[in-house]
Amino acid sequence: GESVGLHLPTLSVQEGDNSIINCAYSNSASDYFIWYKQESGKGPQFIIDIRSNMDKRQGQRVTVLLNKTVKHLSLQIAATQPGDSAVYFCAEGGANTDKLIFGTGTRLQVFP
Amino acid sequence: NAGVMQNPRHLVRRRGQEARLRCSPMKGHSHVYWYRQLPEEGLKFMVYLQKENIIDESGMPKERFSAEFPKEGPSILRIQQVVRGDSAAYFCASSGTGKNYGYTFGSGTRLTVV
Repeated sequence: GESVGLHLPTLSVQEGDNSIINCAYSNSASDYFIWYKQESGKGPQFIIDIRSNMDKRQGQRVTVLLNKTVKHLSLQIAATQPGDSAVYFCAEGGANTDKLIFGTGTRLQVFP
Repeated sequence: NAGVMQNPRHLVRRRGQEARLRCSPMKGHSHVYWYRQLPEEGLKFMVYLQKENIIDESGMPKERFSAEFPKEGPSILRIQQVVRGDSAAYFCASSGTGKNYGYTFGSGTRLTVV
C-alpha cells in the first residue's frame, strides 16, 4: 500500500505486481516531464520522459501518463522486480527554462 | 564514454573550512548544472554554467557559495566557511544542448560537515 509520513512516501508491492507512482507537478507552464530512478548512493537515472503534447508514452515495462488538467503525472511499472526498488522522482521542465523542478520522491519497495 | 564524473564521492569538512566539489561533464557537453539534495528530499537547482560563463545562478545561496566552469578543466562548486546545514549530496548534470532535455547526472558528492 501507499503511505505518507514524515519521510518519503513509500509504496510497497509484491514482485510481479504492477506499480503506480504518482506525482503532482507545480507549474502549468511546464511542457516537459521526466521520471528518474535513484538508487541508494547514486545519482538520478533517466527512466522515461513525455512532452505536454502527449498524454501517454510507453517504454520497456514503464508507462508515463500525463494529465495536464489536474497537473498530474504517473509512472506505471509492469511486473515489478526487486531491481526496481529505489526512490522515484518526477521532474518538470520545458523550453522556457534551463532547470528542472523535482518532486519530493516516492520510495518503491519490492517484496519477493 | 565515462559519463559525468564527480569527485570526491565523499567529503568531510569541519565547520568553517572550505569544500571544493568537482564535476567533469560528458565528452562533448559544454553545459553543466549543479543540484543539491537534502536527505529524503528531491533535488534543488543551484546553478547552470557554460564554459567560462554563469548562465543562471538563481538557486545559489547569496553567500559562501560560488561556481565556475573554466575553459579547461572541470566545473567547480566551492563552499566557503561550511556550516552543518551545508551537509547534503551535490549532483552535477551535463547536457549538450543547453536545454533541460537529456540531462545526464553524475553520482554525486556527499558532503558531511562535522
